[in-house]
Amino acid sequence: DTGVSQNPRHKITKRGQNVTFRCDPISEHNRLYWYRQTLGQGPEFLTYFQNEAQLEKSRLLSDRFSAERPKGSFSTLEIQRTEQGDSAMYLCASSGRTPQTGELFFGEGSRLTVL
Amino acid sequence: GENVEQHPSTLSVQEGDSAVIKCTYSDSASNYFPWYKQELGKRPQLIIDIRSNVGEKKDQRIAVTLNKTAKHFSLHITETQPEDSAVYFCAASIGTGRRALTFGSGTRLQVQP
Repeated sequence: DTGVSQNPRHKITKRGQNVTFRCDPISEHNRLYWYRQTLGQGPEFLTYFQNEAQLEKSRLLSDRFSAERPKGSFSTLEIQRTEQGDSAMYLCASSGRTPQTGELFFGEGSRLTVL
Repeated sequence: GENVEQHPSTLSVQEGDSAVIKCTYSDSASNYFPWYKQELGKRPQLIIDIRSNVGEKKDQRIAVTLNKTAKHFSLHITETQPEDSAVYFCAASIGTGRRALTFGSGTRLQVQP
């Protein structure tokens, strides 16, 4: 499977714990995005990388959230001191190298439940 | 920042009828407008997109129209089929890939057989 892969697919944690999600984009894609989706809502932008550079972060992203893409390939999204409001589906997407290829290819998502 | 509003939130049609979903955006600099389909429990997938240099684009039963003056764009699905049942999201961005997409809140389309 050469699509975007995310793991873990499901994570249940207690409030206050830290969690980390991993995203492996399509190999030739240099742009990678993290979105959050709650039930009945559209994907909400969190952050965006071009290669290893984090070019954009949502104002909604609190300092408990951090994302990295150290070698311009896979990315991790860490949430520290989780809160119940962090419960959501965390979607990763990647897109191609040329400006004309605007399509985002999404992963299956990582569902977080904070108890 | 960009704000995208989408209507209606739910839409039920009979098989064979047409369905129309409308979106408005706030940032006049936006020039890329894709539509994504998300089936239950699945990932969003691109079904059609339009850039601001055209007013309409069609792909078989799906078409998108764009009115830059009014800052709104619409998805039209003709001859709907039960497999069209899904949640549809519009989105907007400045440039393709250079800025992140802002998504609408989604429209749940139910096609009744």
